Amino acid sequence: DIQMTQSPSTLSASVGDRVTITCRASQNIGNSLAWYQQKPGKPPQLLIYKASSLESGVPSRFSGVGSGTEFTLTISSLQPDDFATFYCQQYNIYSGTFGQGTKVEIK
Amino acid sequence: EVQILESGGGLVQPGGSLRLSCAASGFTFSSYAMNWVRQAPGKGLEWVSSVSGSGGTTHYADSVKGRFTISRDNPNNRVYLQMNSLRAEDTGIYYCAKRTYGSGWFDHWGQGNRVTVSS
Repeated sequence: DIQMTQSPSTLSASVGDRVTITCRASQNIGNSLAWYQQKPGKPPQLLIYKASSLESGVPSRFSGVGSGTEFTLTISSLQPDDFATFYCQQYNIYSGTFGQGTKVEIK
Repeated sequence: EVQILESGGGLVQPGGSLRLSCAASGFTFSSYAMNWVRQAPGKGLEWVSSVSGSGGTTHYADSVKGRFTISRDNPNNRVYLQMNSLRAEDTGIYYCAKRTYGSGWFDHWGQGNRVTVSS
């Protein structure tokens, strides 16, 4: 089974900061990686798919890069609405394993 | 507009059974794989199971294999998760999610349904 590892688990940042979250896969997954944002009491919302493609309606301050086993999600200038938990996910025909999540908190 | 709505959750004793239902609309249901994802209280997301558009192929996480069964009713645009031999660690919010075409990412999610396994 493919394991996904995110870092850090928690991140404290201020409005306007540039924020980067890393996700590592236990084996090569090509570009089959998505990023989701989840706010308390709500379902996850898709931000990025195919490692770097921005979902329609998602602000351009979100970006993703990577391929193979290492991926990053960057928020170029953190906004008040961005404080949430972020998850990476590898997807294939067998499963859709998630990372353990990164909580972005107000500093 | 894509809409996904889960139902059937509730309180069940350890060892008991529960069937979750997911009603979907706004897309050609039989063309897309559907998935169940769960979230234990205060924890992260865990993929649980998937079913292909035709219903002929299913996959399960090791944690539920042999206890849970996913199925779908394409004429009525529904997906089901039959959960047997429930354990306390199965407690959480269960989300139904639609995949993009093929084996892609999860582009639409329901609001979730709570399952509590407790005596």
